[in-house]
Amino acid sequence: AQTVTQSQPEMSVQEAETVTLSCTYDTSESDYYLFWYKQPPSRQMILVIRQEAYKQQNATENRFSVNFQKAAKSFSLKISDSQLGDAAMYFCAYRTPGGATNKLIFGTGTLLAVQP
Amino acid sequence: EPEVTQTPSHQVTQMGQEVILRCVPISNHLYFYWYRQILGQKVEFLVSFYNNEISEKSEIFDDQFSVERPDGSNFTLKIRSTKLEDSAMYFCASSRDRSSGNTIYFGEGSWLTVV
Repeated sequence: AQTVTQSQPEMSVQEAETVTLSCTYDTSESDYYLFWYKQPPSRQMILVIRQEAYKQQNATENRFSVNFQKAAKSFSLKISDSQLGDAAMYFCAYRTPGGATNKLIFGTGTLLAVQP
Repeated sequence: EPEVTQTPSHQVTQMGQEVILRCVPISNHLYFYWYRQILGQKVEFLVSFYNNEISEKSEIFDDQFSVERPDGSNFTLKIRSTKLEDSAMYFCASSRDRSSGNTIYFGEGSWLTVV
């Protein structure tokens, strides 16, 4: 079964600095998608970025980028120029390939604090 | 931007009572989901729904739970007889189709407190 592991329960970053959140996963599939979701105090789940496993190029969305290492099954999120509004819980998620199932499997989350 | 909407945002119910959580998925989406997040824990998949039937469910989704699409816009989760351990945030979500490439969009959640 696929699993997603986030080994950093909490992280802290100074405003305007860069922070990297770690995520590893386990799967026997070769094609899949990976996601980072942000959950602010309002508890809404907001998509931050996604990565297709078949793409070697790392995804980027403005200040957010990923470091996808398929062989190592690693998918870290880098937040550049951190802002106070980035403070939230961040969940890494794996999506099973199309077919019998297409659910998201989440990690346990990393709580990011941004210090002014 | 289209979004998934959920009602109520917060509900308090007595143990043993029936609860219905409502969701309006994004209009051109065909797959619908419910996820659950117990306070302080990770988000867990409950059920996916397509073409008016359940396509997959987790072991959490037992006989106390049911889902329904009563009309062309609403998607509901019913808990028949609530237990204390059902207290959680329930997220409705939708996606355009079942392709892994299609993002699953979440609503803002319905916080259920069972007392």
